[in-house]
Amino acid sequence: QEQLVESGGGVVQPGGSLKLSCAASGFFFRGYGMHWVRQPPGKGLEWVAFLRFDGSNRNYADSVKGRFTISRDNSKNTLSLQMNSLKTEDTAIYYCANDEFLYWGHGTLVAVS
Amino acid sequence: HSVLTQSPSASGTPGQRVTISCSGSSSNIGSNIVYWYQQLPGTAPKVVIYRNNQRPSGVPDRFSGSKSDTSASLAISGLRPEDEADYYCGSWDDSLSGWVFGGGTKLTVL
Repeated sequence: QEQLVESGGGVVQPGGSLKLSCAASGFFFRGYGMHWVRQPPGKGLEWVAFLRFDGSNRNYADSVKGRFTISRDNSKNTLSLQMNSLKTEDTAIYYCANDEFLYWGHGTLVAVS
Repeated sequence: HSVLTQSPSASGTPGQRVTISCSGSSSNIGSNIVYWYQQLPGTAPKVVIYRNNQRPSGVPDRFSGSKSDTSASLAISGLRPEDEADYYCGSWDDSLSGWVFGGGTKLTVL
């Protein structure tokens, strides 16, 4: 059974940092590119970042470029999102998903306040 | 505002066929594949259509997707109460070098 489990969310002050993790199991993690997608409370989906299967290319939304870093450890089947200089508008549920969005985690809540 | 444009709401009665549209441009839908996501209240999104018109296993064949030029559509036939959810379209955007989503359509089953 394919599974993605996010962790690391919480409450942080503006300007602070937080690192999210996404643990994958039940599928060939190293063969897939991975996304982070977020959803502010009561609002729609917003794409955050994408990382190729081999870590060779990263893409970021303009709203997080220069502040967030996506990375992965294929030996541990883990995807990460390092978030620095957090702003109140970064408050959202953060989901990880594979490149074709067939697998999603349940999300982790980040509140910047 | 979202790069991809969706109507905020749609509705239908049980058994009806409803269509949700998604309008984009040559840099996204016009040159890349389209995905459709269903989000039930309080849950993570789930893809119901990928690569324009493919259904993942477990998604009923009542769901279908199509694309024409810079627009895409999700059709749901034989509408059921459990189809009541938010639906989003998504595609890669070559100009932004990033993924873009529509603003979402809230489907109500009357």
